[in-house]
Amino acid sequence: EAGVAQSPRYKIIEKRQSVAFWCNPISGHATLYWYQQILGQGPKLLIQFQNNGVVDDSQLPKDRFSAERLKGVDSTLKIQPAKLEDSAVYLCASSLDRFNSPLHFGNGTRLTVT
Amino acid sequence: AQKVTQAQTEISVVEKEDVTLDCVYETRDTTYYLFWYKQPPSGELVFLIRRNSFDEQNEISGRYSWNFQKSTSSFNFTITASQVVDSAVYFCALSDLYSSASKIIFGSGTRLSIRP
Repeated sequence: EAGVAQSPRYKIIEKRQSVAFWCNPISGHATLYWYQQILGQGPKLLIQFQNNGVVDDSQLPKDRFSAERLKGVDSTLKIQPAKLEDSAVYLCASSLDRFNSPLHFGNGTRLTVT
Repeated sequence: AQKVTQAQTEISVVEKEDVTLDCVYETRDTTYYLFWYKQPPSGELVFLIRRNSFDEQNEISGRYSWNFQKSTSSFNFTITASQVVDSAVYFCALSDLYSSASKIIFGSGTRLSIRP
């Protein structure tokens, strides 16, 4: 079984620029998550999708972050414009369903904003 | 509100020693799930175990064991005869069944270093 795929692996941008991350979940997984992990901290949920609908985006800074999951499969997370404090690893995860199934994580995208 | 506390920021032991990682949680729900994940230097979080709140049996898997105690709201993780490959950051996580979107909340992690 192929795991969760994320790209790019690393990204360096200047503040006020925009950036996009891509995620392809495990085939058949209905639930997809984007987490932000700042150095030295645990992952923080940004947004959760069930198929192509948003279930929880309460911690997503909507003035600059956006995400979509077209056709209920791949997902894209965008930041525009980026701030210095957005420097973090952005982790995508998927699970069979939203009811406490284990999460399967990708390798993440390490974003550095200078 | 949900909360997961991992008070040990970093632990360093010599190979073959036993080590216990502590996890204390808070939730108002009676039905919830607890998880442990491992994050090796490669960065990918790896699922280790899930327990539900109605199953307080301790679990052993090879050198790994987990001690779930509802009375103290703790879900501790012990590695017996540690090995260098166990070096990683370990996260405890909590999900209540009836909370908004069954959100999984992570602790801040414990960085475990095993010295040869």
